[in-house]
Amino acid sequence: DAKTTQPTSMDCAEGRAANLPCNHSTISGNEYVYWYRQIHSQGPQYIIHGLKNNETNEMASLIITEDRKSSTLILPHATLRDTAVYYCIVRARDDKIIFGKGTRLHILP
Amino acid sequence: GAVVSQHPSWVICKSGTSVKIECRSLDFQATTMFWYRQFPKQSLMLMATSNEGSKATYEQGVEKDKFLINHASLTLSTLTVTSAHPEDSSFYICSARNGGHEQYFGPGTRLTVT
Repeated sequence: DAKTTQPTSMDCAEGRAANLPCNHSTISGNEYVYWYRQIHSQGPQYIIHGLKNNETNEMASLIITEDRKSSTLILPHATLRDTAVYYCIVRARDDKIIFGKGTRLHILP
Repeated sequence: GAVVSQHPSWVICKSGTSVKIECRSLDFQATTMFWYRQFPKQSLMLMATSNEGSKATYEQGVEKDKFLINHASLTLSTLTVTSAHPEDSSFYICSARNGGHEQYFGPGTRLTVT
């Protein structure tokens, strides 16, 4: 069973920051928060992951609350190509990836 | 780096026939490979985990005699859908892990059974 809760869908205007929330209130101390996205009819693409500190890479930023029970993925300047289903996944390092339903993000022109 | 390919990208087969899908890690050795299935408008469902040189571990509800998985080398895993039926039509996605904790996904194979 997925260990995360995400909104079913979200809209964001092109050029604005897209903030995608994720609740993972039962996360264990050795579990990481991972984000993947899936553009229509493609395989999932890794975005970012973190344990407890905030993380940033060329694609996105990941903000994890201090109690680690929730996190937010931030796409700083959304483009139409960011339209996809975004999956927040909680797993220990060697665990298999189990996908939940994800958030369908629509970037509006 | 860390590229995973699948072949074919799409396949159409007749009901009752078998079809094989290949998953290759192109620039790393994959000690573990995973197979997922995705129906339209649904999330990815893990079917099985395979470690090189050993038998695959199937998730609950997945028929091991219908979905044959072979992971004979560190760069290749195959999924054979035996006696395919229209309800097996789906998007099949593999992923591979190189011993670290990152998993890299292939582009998927769309199977249509007529």
